[in-house]
Amino acid sequence: TQLLEQSPQFLSIQEGENLTVYCNSSSVFSSLQWYRQEPGEGPVLLVTVVTGGEVKKLKRLTFQFGDARKDSSLHITAAQPGDTGLYLCAGERGGSYIPTFGRGTSLIVHP
Amino acid sequence: DAEITQSPRHKITETGRQVTLACHQTWNHNNMFWYRQDLGHGLRLIHYSYGVQDTNKGEVSDGYSVSRSNTEDLPLTLESAASSQTSVYFCASSESGTPKQYFGPGTRLTVT
Repeated sequence: TQLLEQSPQFLSIQEGENLTVYCNSSSVFSSLQWYRQEPGEGPVLLVTVVTGGEVKKLKRLTFQFGDARKDSSLHITAAQPGDTGLYLCAGERGGSYIPTFGRGTSLIVHP
Repeated sequence: DAEITQSPRHKITETGRQVTLACHQTWNHNNMFWYRQDLGHGLRLIHYSYGVQDTNKGEVSDGYSVSRSNTEDLPLTLESAASSQTSVYFCASSESGTPKQYFGPGTRLTVT
C-alpha cells in the first residue's frame, strides 16, 4: 500500500489551461514537500508546507496543505510548456526528516 | 556554488559483478540518502546516513551497502549486481533537522 497517493498519474494539456494535482494519504504528516523532476535530472524542491490549511504561491503555482495535514494539492494556472515534468509529493512524519515519496504525476504541456 | 554530483552518469555491467556508484556533495550536509527510481514505484529509499560513520537501511536495502567515511561522500555498492537492480539511482542530501532534500542528477545503471 502506497503511503502517499498522487492523482492523476498522467496529465496532457494545452498551453494556457489550468490544472490541479492531488496528493492524498490516511496518515498525518509533520511537513510535506513538492518537487519537480525534468527528464534526465534529479528532483528539485519547489515548496515545503508545514501548517494545516497553509497556502503557498510560487508564481503560477499554488500549493495547499490540508487542514488535517493528510493531503495536499498543487494548482497551476495558465500552464506553459516549461511546466512539463514529473511532480512528486513527499511527506515526512514524526521528526525523522526522512520523506516518503508518492509515485508522481507526469505532466505534459503542449504548445 | 554548492552542489551534489554523481558518477558515473551511465553504467552497464554484467550480472554478478560488484559495482560502486559515487555521490559527492559540497553543501556540508550531515544527512545523505540513496534512492532508486523505477516506473510504477516512484522513489524508494535504499540507505541513508545522518553523519560520518552512521549508516541505516531503507525499505529496499537488500543487495546494497554504503559507507560514510567523511561528510562529503556516500558511495553505494552493489555487492553482486542482479538484473532486478537495473534502475536510475539518485543521491540526495539534507541539513540536519529538515526533510528538504537536494538531489544529484542520477546514475542510470543497466545490469545485463
